[in-house]
Amino acid sequence: EAGVAQSPRYKIIEKRQSVAFWCNPISGHATLYWYQQILGQGPKLLIQFQNNGVVDDSQLPKDRFSAERLKGVDSTLKIQPAKLEDSAVYLCASSLGTGEQFFGPGTRLTVL
Amino acid sequence: TQLLEQSPQFLSIQEGENLTVYCNSSSVFSSLQWYRQEPGEGPVLLVTVVTGGEVKKLKRLTFQFGDARKDSSLHITAAQPGDTGLYLCAGDPFGAQKLVFGQGTRLTINP
Repeated sequence: EAGVAQSPRYKIIEKRQSVAFWCNPISGHATLYWYQQILGQGPKLLIQFQNNGVVDDSQLPKDRFSAERLKGVDSTLKIQPAKLEDSAVYLCASSLGTGEQFFGPGTRLTVL
Repeated sequence: TQLLEQSPQFLSIQEGENLTVYCNSSSVFSSLQWYRQEPGEGPVLLVTVVTGGEVKKLKRLTFQFGDARKDSSLHITAAQPGDTGLYLCAGDPFGAQKLVFGQGTRLTINP
């Protein structure tokens, strides 16, 4: 069974530029999560989707971050414009709703 | 706001030693999970504990959920270099499949 796929794996941009991350969850997983993991910290939930609907985006900085899951499968997370403090690993996870979350390898973003 | 505090944040020990990592909160969680994360990879689930006082064993790893479901511990017996990694505890406060993570314990086992 294929795991959660994310791309790109690494991205370096300058502040005020835009960036987008892509996630393909495990087939059949209705729930999809985006997390931000700053160096030395645990992951922080940004947004949770159930199929193509948003369940929780309370910690998503909506002035600059947006996410969508149009067909209830793939998802994209966008940052526009990026700030220095957005440097982090962005993790995507998916779940069948049984409690276990399966994580992708993450995208390491560096904002200069 | 539910917070999980892990201790210690860093631990470096010799192969063969035993160790315990703690995960504490003032909040009650419906379940608590332990993950292990290696560099350049996402976290991988090790165990889920649900019942207060529950103890689960995974080979040399023993996980315990506190009676009040506010804290947990991970004990490793006879640590091996392959146990090196970042250990994260994560709690689900409302049973809504939404996790709050601790800041992690970075464990290094020296040969």
